[in-house]
Amino acid sequence: RKEVEQDPGPFNVPEGATVAFNCTYSNSASQSFFWYRQDCRKEPKLLMSVYSSGNEDGRFTAQLNRASQYISLLIRDSKLSDSATYLCVVNPGRSNTGNQFYFGTGTSLTVIP
Amino acid sequence: NAGVTQTPKFQVLKTGQSMTLQCAQDMNHNSMYWYRQDPGMGLRLIYYSASEGTTDKGEVPNGYNVSRLNKREFSLRLESAAPSQTSVYFCASREGQRGGNTIYFGEGSWLTVV
Repeated sequence: RKEVEQDPGPFNVPEGATVAFNCTYSNSASQSFFWYRQDCRKEPKLLMSVYSSGNEDGRFTAQLNRASQYISLLIRDSKLSDSATYLCVVNPGRSNTGNQFYFGTGTSLTVIP
Repeated sequence: NAGVTQTPKFQVLKTGQSMTLQCAQDMNHNSMYWYRQDPGMGLRLIYYSASEGTTDKGEVPNGYNVSRLNKREFSLRLESAAPSQTSVYFCASREGQRGGNTIYFGEGSWLTVV
């Protein structure tokens, strides 16, 4: 079983729509969670960290559900510039694997005018 | 502000040739990483270095070697390139040795082995 699994999409949504991505992780002891954004032929960049209590950054909201072992990303009022691949990232945080960050394969989003 | 710089950006190799991908970061980070990214596979860790002087294997280390030359630099070497090593390679760095810090990536190196 993969450490992190995401629906690859693609998600094609109109401008202004709300879209949500989910990501599941296999290690129940995982401690750190992130969403990264990757544009075509570019490097991944941190979009936001995911905290236990959930967190919001403008139009973006991230949630963590430890009981069901998934994290989610909600994008409201989608913009054309939101078109990208969104990567779910999980860090187990155990002392001997604190450097292991597991990446999902990414969910592709295209926002259509 | 440079961040993580990796070279070369593009390279074509013949099967059996060797090459080294160079990476340097100017953020005084302790941890450095080499990932490869393939379609449908996501980012996979090749090797990492938790601190200067240490290196450890990741998920897919076979066919690669690394050197943490100093705190700034972490190179990845392909001793005898194979077509299966055609991929995009990303170097990355992070401040801490434990989890919880942001990973910063270089712009990537596109490698084709023919």
